[in-house]
Amino acid sequence: NAGVTQTPKFRVLKTGQSMTLLCAQDMNHEYMYWYRQDPGMGLRLIHYSVGEGTTAKGEVPDGYNVSRLKKQNFLLGLESAAPSQTSVYFCASMGVQNIQYFGAGTRLSVL
Amino acid sequence: AQRVTQPEKLLSVFKGAPVELKCNYSYSGSPELFWYVQYSRQRLQLLLRHISRESIKGFTADLNKGETSFHLKKPFAQEEDSAMYYCALSKNTDKLIFGTGTRLQVFP
Repeated sequence: NAGVTQTPKFRVLKTGQSMTLLCAQDMNHEYMYWYRQDPGMGLRLIHYSVGEGTTAKGEVPDGYNVSRLKKQNFLLGLESAAPSQTSVYFCASMGVQNIQYFGAGTRLSVL
Repeated sequence: AQRVTQPEKLLSVFKGAPVELKCNYSYSGSPELFWYVQYSRQRLQLLLRHISRESIKGFTADLNKGETSFHLKKPFAQEEDSAMYYCALSKNTDKLIFGTGTRLQVFP
């Protein structure tokens, strides 16, 4: 049982480049989330989805876009990467009892 | 506004000492609170939730509505408890609000 899988694990981008982070879950969860983790700031919610075909903004959505075309996948896109987007990105899905299950994270550096 | 505050960025103790990681929250409704833990090179995972009122790995946390606190406690710390700990508040049951985290270091 893989749980929540994120790809890639690491990525280095140049300012202005674009990329997509993929999150896949095999637990049939409706709710999925993208967070960024920065030192001293904890986890901040970027975007989330309450079901296939739906997305919503979180606390820090600017500069990011998301799509949930299939229930098991939640994609996070950076159209034009900026150094301020250097961070560790975590995907999560939520099951019963409001428990969130996290992926292993993607470490992104924007030069 | 809903908020979770973890006042300590770093907590260092020796093995066998008691541990208390502080968490305070502000929320106008009935809160649902969690502690998540991230061990080195591992993903974030649930440690415990206040509704279950259970002890996990020797840790307990009691919800104190009067003081709006949900402190995490363990009577005797172990080296393997060294990790990053996040307190989280469930908002409207579809989102979590995380605190900034406390790094616990347990020295031998």
